[in-house]
Amino acid sequence: GENVEQHPSTLSVQEGDSAVIKCTYSDSASNYFPWYKQELGKGPQLIIDIRSNVGEKKDQRIAVTLNKTAKHFSLHITETQPEDSAVYFCAARSQGAQKLVFGQGTRLTINP
Amino acid sequence: GAVVSQHPSWVICKSGTSVKIECRSLDFQATTMFWYRQFPKQSLMLMATSNEGSKATYEQGVEKDKFLINHASLTLSTLTVTSAHPEDSSFYICSADRTDTQYFGPGTRLTVL
Repeated sequence: GENVEQHPSTLSVQEGDSAVIKCTYSDSASNYFPWYKQELGKGPQLIIDIRSNVGEKKDQRIAVTLNKTAKHFSLHITETQPEDSAVYFCAARSQGAQKLVFGQGTRLTINP
Repeated sequence: GAVVSQHPSWVICKSGTSVKIECRSLDFQATTMFWYRQFPKQSLMLMATSNEGSKATYEQGVEKDKFLINHASLTLSTLTVTSAHPEDSSFYICSADRTDTQYFGPGTRLTVL
């Protein structure tokens, strides 16, 4: 089955700098890759997703890139702000499957 | 759009009692809902996939007789933890599928004394 590895487990950046979180997946048939942000005590919130027919997607300060050949995808946050501090999860879903397989999560801390 | 609610947001119960958690999609219909469990500082662990009108599909290692799931309508799924014990204490989160995208509820914190 699908396996998703996420790195780093923790990331600390200065406010205003960029943050990058990377994930690799094992199933070449995976075709959907969402990213979720989870604040303490809350449910995950979808922040951006990408499907396998595109290589990059942007939404204001957030972007996701996908390299199908290498089977990895990354989340890029630019001009980080204190409210970006949270745990971020990547996920992948195989074609035809219903469930998502999640990475282990990255705790992002933005230092003022 | 794509709002998912859960009730209750937190619950404390005595060992041996049963607890029901509701998951509702407020502004869309969801044929498929999912139930997850999350321990502190860990990732989301899928417990089961719930399809409206049919039996839930449980992940390996999840006791279906202990975690009863009902998805009787397109906007409501329930998770009942039967004969709860302290080791069942956790953060339970549901999600609902809308056009192939999962939207999560706010979670329910269960504490079993």
